[in-house]
Amino acid sequence: AQSVSQHNHHVILSEAASLELGCNYSYGGTVNLFWYVQYPGQHLQLLLKYFSGDPLVKGIKGFEAEFIKSKFSFNLRKPSVQWSDTAEYFCALGGATNKLIFGTGTLLAVQP
Amino acid sequence: DTAVSQTPKYLVTQMGNDKSIKCEQNLGHDTMYWYKQDSKKFLKIMFSYNNKELIINETVPNRFSPKSPDKAHLNLHINSLELGDSAVYFCASSPASDPTQYFGPGTRLTVL
Repeated sequence: AQSVSQHNHHVILSEAASLELGCNYSYGGTVNLFWYVQYPGQHLQLLLKYFSGDPLVKGIKGFEAEFIKSKFSFNLRKPSVQWSDTAEYFCALGGATNKLIFGTGTLLAVQP
Repeated sequence: DTAVSQTPKYLVTQMGNDKSIKCEQNLGHDTMYWYKQDSKKFLKIMFSYNNKELIINETVPNRFSPKSPDKAHLNLHINSLELGDSAVYFCASSPASDPTQYFGPGTRLTVL
């Protein structure tokens, strides 16, 4: 069965701090991995995705993520967060079917 | 140049009523989806259509009936609304050769 775990439910950082949000998945086949962001009251926007190739992927707004197959992980990172990064972040797994399996989300609050 | 649009944005109704939510995408994508986001922000797929054909039905009560008149539209009709149906419903679409999903702005349904 496919599943996604996000262990950090709520993260509070000060501006300019570095960010790492954890994402672990469970699936034995070829994976497609995504990070989406949901700003308050808005829809999900794609931050970045990994299908194959270079395990370090760069996305929009200075975000990056690293796929580590041996750890079944796809952690999201940003070297220096801004107040405008305050949002809910979702990791998602796409497997054999078209559907995405989402993690429970991590609420990031950045304090100015 | 809206990519995935949904109407209405907000829907407030009484228990027992029947309501519909509409979704349209102008991206030329072949596959469309409905997701439900509950009060804890958890996202779960409900349905997926590919070229007007139902391909995913995730054990959703049969009070929910999707309908795809053409591949650019996927509507969701809900009969006999219950309190537990209160949620944000997101429509999404993806192209044939890429599992990346693009989300609409969501419809916040409140059942009183």
